[in-house]
Amino acid sequence: AQSVTQLDSQVPVFEEAPVELRCNYSSSVSVYLFWYVQYPNQGLQLLLKYLSGSTLVKGINGFEAEFNKSQTSFHLRKPSVHISDTAEYFCAVSDSGGFKTIFGAGTRLFVKA
Amino acid sequence: ETGVTQSPTHLIKTRGQQVTLRCSSQSGHNTVSWYQQALGQGPQFIFQYYREEENGRGNFPPRFSGLQFPNYSSELNVNALELDDSALYLCASSLAGGLSDTQYFGPGTRLTVL
Repeated sequence: AQSVTQLDSQVPVFEEAPVELRCNYSSSVSVYLFWYVQYPNQGLQLLLKYLSGSTLVKGINGFEAEFNKSQTSFHLRKPSVHISDTAEYFCAVSDSGGFKTIFGAGTRLFVKA
Repeated sequence: ETGVTQSPTHLIKTRGQQVTLRCSSQSGHNTVSWYQQALGQGPQFIFQYYREEENGRGNFPPRFSGLQFPNYSSELNVNALELDDSALYLCASSLAGGLSDTQYFGPGTRLTVL
């Protein structure tokens, strides 16, 4: 069965510092991987997704993620964060054997001035 | 292009009551999925509708049911409400429902069961 583990529930970071939000998944078949962001009182917005091909995926707002099949990870990175990046970030996985998307519990990114 | 909208924004019900939540998908999107997001957790898949037929369901009891209409609107119905049903309910629309499709989420309906 699929599962997603986001290793950090909260990540505080200073403005303009780099950040990495960690995500590990388990699945026995080919997977599609996603990162979503949720701002307060809003729905989820897709940041980026990995379907196939290059393992380094670039998304919106300067975010990127790297798919590592051997480590079953899909960590999200940004070289320099802004106050406006403060939000909840969700890693998600769907696999070719199923029909649904499984979300992690989320990581709260808090950017401090 | 209009986004995904949901109504109402907030709702308070008592245990045992029934509730209907509504979603309006993006025009042209044939698939709608519903998720339950409890406080401090990620969204949990309830079910998915494609062209007015349910085509996938998560681990939710039958008292959670849905409808999808030809005009890109849909409903989530929950009968016999329980305290644990308190959550943010999200709908998401996508073009064809494929696992690689981008889902577009609405802002959610916050349901409180007392």
